Amino acid sequence: GAGVSQSPSNKVTEKGKDVELRCDPISGHTALYWYRQRLGQGLEFLIYFQGNSAPDKSGLPSDRFSAERTGESVSTLTIQRTQQEDSAVYLCASSPGQGHNQPQHFGDGTRLSIL
Amino acid sequence: SQKIEQNSEALNIQEGKTATLTCNYTNYSPAYLQWYRQDPGRGPVFLLLIRENEKEKRKERLKVTFDTTLKQSLFHITASQPADSATYLCALNNAGNMLTFGGGTRLMVKP
Repeated sequence: GAGVSQSPSNKVTEKGKDVELRCDPISGHTALYWYRQRLGQGLEFLIYFQGNSAPDKSGLPSDRFSAERTGESVSTLTIQRTQQEDSAVYLCASSPGQGHNQPQHFGDGTRLSIL
Repeated sequence: SQKIEQNSEALNIQEGKTATLTCNYTNYSPAYLQWYRQDPGRGPVFLLLIRENEKEKRKERLKVTFDTTLKQSLFHITASQPADSATYLCALNNAGNMLTFGGGTRLMVKP
């Protein structure tokens, strides 16, 4: 079956613009995660959705970052008034269950470059 | 402070040898630990999960150990192949039960 799909795969934009990144999780997966990965570094947790529960936003670095998810389907990550330090790969992952010990299935990310 | 440490320097080994990668952690009490593989330009791919009450887990040529006293996990690839070249990430659950990733170690297997 289809894996996690992210779009666009690459995004180049000017500083100060808003960007919207999309994630289509694996069908039936109730948990969805967003991460940021800077060049040569590990994954930095941003936000977690589980079913219809309130999202865990504890990893969002500033109020310029927000995310939404409709039910158990598509999620969008929005970055407003982008800054150069926002340049990174943004990865989305989904998993089938509620426990964080479940393996996570990742998309290939959106590479965001802020000029 | 909490840390997950993986060797940031690349590990270079000869094809056929066993690769051993290390994941050390500080100020965590994880119930489980996961290992992922990441190829350039791709998202991480799940490999193995080991629980705190398991000393060792195997899957084909892969073996993971988990020592909660030493606060360390070792990841072994036996009979390594050039196709095993990738970055390997360890991840463990923090107090909030969220998965936290190490910075990864790049493995290069030379033919």
